[in-house]
Amino acid sequence: GQQLNQSPQSMFIQEGEDVSMNCTSSSIFNTWLWYKQEPGEGPVLLIALYKAGELTSNGRLTAQFGITRKDSFLNISASIPSDVGIYFCAALNRDDKIIFGKGTRLHILP
Amino acid sequence: GAGVSQSPRYKVAKRGQDVALRCDPISGHVSLFWYQQALGQGPEFLTYFQNEAQLDKSGLPSDRFFAERPEGSVSTLKIQRTQQEDSAVYLCASSDPLWRGLTDTQYFGPGTRLTVL
Repeated sequence: GQQLNQSPQSMFIQEGEDVSMNCTSSSIFNTWLWYKQEPGEGPVLLIALYKAGELTSNGRLTAQFGITRKDSFLNISASIPSDVGIYFCAALNRDDKIIFGKGTRLHILP
Repeated sequence: GAGVSQSPRYKVAKRGQDVALRCDPISGHVSLFWYQQALGQGPEFLTYFQNEAQLDKSGLPSDRFFAERPEGSVSTLKIQRTQQEDSAVYLCASSDPLWRGLTDTQYFGPGTRLTVL
């Protein structure tokens, strides 16, 4: 079936550092999504990408829709403590359902 | 309330018990989704409603899982004869009726954490 491979699984960074994570698949998708989930909460949509090659920003977050339509990237600049959480990539499959990656767990060291 | 609410937030069941999980979507949202999130995994689609009609239930893992939304607002996910593998967080999401299709921004509730002993 269609799967999203998200990496890294977890990251430990210092406050102020930039963060990069990515999501790849062997399948082509026409919509890529990035969510953040905090403990005890549901995922919250951060960025939606609808066009191959598209680069979209939301504050300190920037996401790109890969040109091959098989991957997407999320960057967070100048990380702050409230960035801690699990970041999920997701994509709309051919049945118009959202499928999620396994998440990247972001930890910020004091 | 302003967001999607779910109850109970936590449920512990003995294997073989039936459970019912409730979702209150954002008022006026036509579309409602249920997802299952196992520990350390991303959410996985279970079923989708448009108003009271269940348009897709392809993600329900077995016939022990049943969902309904009789009046097109509140939804209940029922799991009969629970098994240990049913332990997970069950997330509900709703989406804005003014947007088309399933690409709508889905607003997730906090989830119900089900533990089956």
